[in-house]
Amino acid sequence: GAGVSQSPSNKVTEKGKDVELRCDPISGHTALYWYRQRLGQGLEFLIYFQGNSAPDKSGLPSDRFSAERTGESVSTLTIQRTQQEDSAVYLCASSPRGRGSWSDTQYFGPGTRLTVL
Amino acid sequence: GQQLNQSPQSMFIQEGEDVSMNCTSSSIFNTWLWYKQDPGEGPVLLIALYKAGELTSNGRLTAQFGITRKDSFLNISASIPSDVGIYFCAGPPNTGNQFYFGTGTSLTVIP
Repeated sequence: GAGVSQSPSNKVTEKGKDVELRCDPISGHTALYWYRQRLGQGLEFLIYFQGNSAPDKSGLPSDRFSAERTGESVSTLTIQRTQQEDSAVYLCASSPRGRGSWSDTQYFGPGTRLTVL
Repeated sequence: GQQLNQSPQSMFIQEGEDVSMNCTSSSIFNTWLWYKQDPGEGPVLLIALYKAGELTSNGRLTAQFGITRKDSFLNISASIPSDVGIYFCAGPPNTGNQFYFGTGTSLTVIP
């Protein structure tokens, strides 16, 4: 498949547990983005990577959130000590060039639906 | 933080009618993008705008980049049932390294 893939598609966890969400971007795409979408709401920008670097991490909601990208490919969003307010769909997107050309289409994955009980 | 406000929040229209929605920001944007999101899927890009005053069409969709660079408009002509979904404006502010999506306009087309 040539699209953006995310895993798992659904994750149910207990409050206080750590979770890892994975994103596999389109091969060759330089930029990778993470968003959070709460039920019935718009997309909340979390972080973007240009290559393996994240120029600005201020969009991450708290220090419980972290993200990394390796090999200019797969990215992992980690949420530590999950809280109920973390429940949302986490969307990943990739684009060919990123910040140098924000008009690049961002191709979105199907998302990971996280439910914190 | 930055917020892109869209109006109306939701619309219920008859098939065949034209639709108009807009998006405003508190900051200047250099690029405006319009995305559509179907239930359970990620957003898909519809139109990209690159300079103030620009008017761009994509089939039945027409979008405009406001001359103040703080707003944008999307029009859909002769709506059809598959136009149903949530429409988001999006873009990067003039400064910074973030990207914002609007609050969304939910469109329902009644056959």
